[in-house]
Amino acid sequence: GQNIDQPTEMTATEGAIVQINCTYQTSGFNGLFWYQQHAGEAPTFLSYNVLDGLEEKGRFSSFLSRSKGYSYLLLKELQMKDSASYLCAVLDSNYQLIWGAGTKLIIKP
Amino acid sequence: DAMVIQNPRYQVTQFGKPVTLSCSQTLNHNVMYWYQQKSSQAPKLLFHYYDKDFNNEADTPDNFQSRRPNTSFCFLDIRSPGLGDAAMYLCATSSDWGGGYEQYFGPGTRLTVT
Repeated sequence: GQNIDQPTEMTATEGAIVQINCTYQTSGFNGLFWYQQHAGEAPTFLSYNVLDGLEEKGRFSSFLSRSKGYSYLLLKELQMKDSASYLCAVLDSNYQLIWGAGTKLIIKP
Repeated sequence: DAMVIQNPRYQVTQFGKPVTLSCSQTLNHNVMYWYQQKSSQAPKLLFHYYDKDFNNEADTPDNFQSRRPNTSFCFLDIRSPGLGDAAMYLCATSSDWGGGYEQYFGPGTRLTVT
């Protein structure tokens, strides 16, 4: 079967750095997405990785290792508004998007 | 602003009473998706359309139907809602299928079944 694993919940302090990990086992791989979802709202796109390495976009960076079936999302200079769920999703060999259940990130002052 | 619009934002229906959720987009995207998302769970893909080609996910219950009369609009029909169908229903679009085409989501319709 296809599987995406992420921690259920993480807590971090305002101004700090947090890394949210995602491991996947899918039938094929055509890229990995990270989405942010605030409570009661729709997901919004953060990043897309298809090649190994680190992609940086402002305070957010995303890393991919295809050989390890692993990605992480790195959030720097955390702000209270970063409190949200972060969903990892993998595009499989049929271009179907397989979603993780998300990591709820709680930011404390 | 180009966007994905869902109506209504909140819908209450009775057990067994048919309900229709609507989605429209001004992005002129080829692909439209319907997802069901329950609290603290991953979004579950119900259907997607590539233009007018309809694709039903294998495990989508027969109780759920969809229509896409034109590029801009897509509807989700729940023929006989059960208590287990209470969820957030998300409509999304992408410019194309396959590859790194990000999905743009509407605000969702939260369905309550009484």
